[in-house]
Amino acid sequence: DTAVSQTPKYLVTQMGNDKSIKCEQNLGHDTMYWYKQDSKKFLKIMFSYNNKELIINETVPNRFSPKSPDKAHLNLHINSLELGDSAVYFCASSQEGRGAGVDTQYFGPGTRLTVL
Amino acid sequence: SQKIEQNSEALNIQEGKTATLTCNYTNYSPAYLQWYRQDPGRGPVFLLLIRENEKEKRKERLKVTFDTTLKQSLFHITASQPADSATYLCALVRGGFKTIFGAGTRLFVKA
Repeated sequence: DTAVSQTPKYLVTQMGNDKSIKCEQNLGHDTMYWYKQDSKKFLKIMFSYNNKELIINETVPNRFSPKSPDKAHLNLHINSLELGDSAVYFCASSQEGRGAGVDTQYFGPGTRLTVL
Repeated sequence: SQKIEQNSEALNIQEGKTATLTCNYTNYSPAYLQWYRQDPGRGPVFLLLIRENEKEKRKERLKVTFDTTLKQSLFHITASQPADSATYLCALVRGGFKTIFGAGTRLFVKA
């Protein structure tokens, strides 16, 4: 009965490779997010999708491309991986993010990406 | 630019005491503020939410205050237990989808 799941949990890869992280939520939420948590533990939003529509696209290199095939899934593809991409990536979802909605977010377990 | 500050140093307290964590922010007018708990190797878990027009919110042993004049929120855990040891994140939301998180404060509760 996992609410927000991510795969893989760990990802170790060489610089220059392309990799994907998958996220799925079974909460029926309309909004999904990708966050990056760096070594200093700051959780920074990267992207947000609402009903498959991209609504937040922070200052993120265009090597990062999110894809939402349906509102229960939000995948993150990263091209030409760099050392600085090493971090923990969290997927999250919320019921309502627009306007006056209560934006309580449910997070996945995270994917620890290590670029060598 | 918007900034959220939480105590970067870990907070060590004795079991049974009240833990108080601080969240200060600048250049921002959040509609509401949230507190999350994060354990090592796991994603954050939502604890409490307080709106800009609320002064205080309680949930079991947890209490949150929100002072929009001081631009500060305090998070209290009463009768703390070793199981409360974790990192606690403050998060600000204006509306829409963007939530801004603080770096968190690590709490250690000693038995």
